Amino acid sequence: EAQVTQNPRYLITVTGKKLTVTCSQNMNHEYMSWYRQDPGLGLRQIYYSMNVEVTDKGDVPEGYKVSRKEKRNFPLILESPSPNQTSLYFCASSPDRGPFTDTQYFGPGTRLTVL
Amino acid sequence: GQQLNQSPQSMFIQEGEDVSMNCTSSSIFNTWLWYKQDPGEGPVLLIALYKAGELTSNGRLTAQFGITRKDSFLNISASIPSDVGIYFCAGQLQSVNTGTASKLTFGTGTRLQVTL
Repeated sequence: EAQVTQNPRYLITVTGKKLTVTCSQNMNHEYMSWYRQDPGLGLRQIYYSMNVEVTDKGDVPEGYKVSRKEKRNFPLILESPSPNQTSLYFCASSPDRGPFTDTQYFGPGTRLTVL
Repeated sequence: GQQLNQSPQSMFIQEGEDVSMNCTSSSIFNTWLWYKQDPGEGPVLLIALYKAGELTSNGRLTAQFGITRKDSFLNISASIPSDVGIYFCAGQLQSVNTGTASKLTFGTGTRLQVTL
């Protein structure tokens, strides 16, 4: 089954404790992206990647890192989480970096709480 | 960064009614997208628009790409209970020459609730 998976689905952590949220897709997609969703603000793009070893900042990259060493994986890293990073996070992938990047497939979401 | 203003923020309608929502931007896009998000799930693409003035339908849904490239509209006809959810617009600016995508900017969402 074609899908985007994220782990963990739920995470409660404390300020300053480094964490990684994994994202994996089995569709051989080139384009992958991370979003955060907050009430009243919709989805905001954190980082995106158009191919292996190619990443770019979205609208809200501060406090986050990403890497794209393999095509299928795009982990989101919070080196020193803070309470304002409490949010619902979505990973998404898309088949091509051309016109079809709009056909994004979203993962199920990761709800992160930073105390 | 850019912001998309989406309205209304929420709406209660009765089953069978038509629904309209819109999205406006302070800058232009060359792709407009409409997504629906059900509770506990990620957004799912409903309609994609690529040309100014374009009108596209997907079943009971119809969306239009505004002539100015700064707005888009989504209409749902004859609403049913499963239309409940949050609807997001999104804009994307792609390079005309390379087709390379830039970041995707989402609106703040319209929460739709349908009563029987």
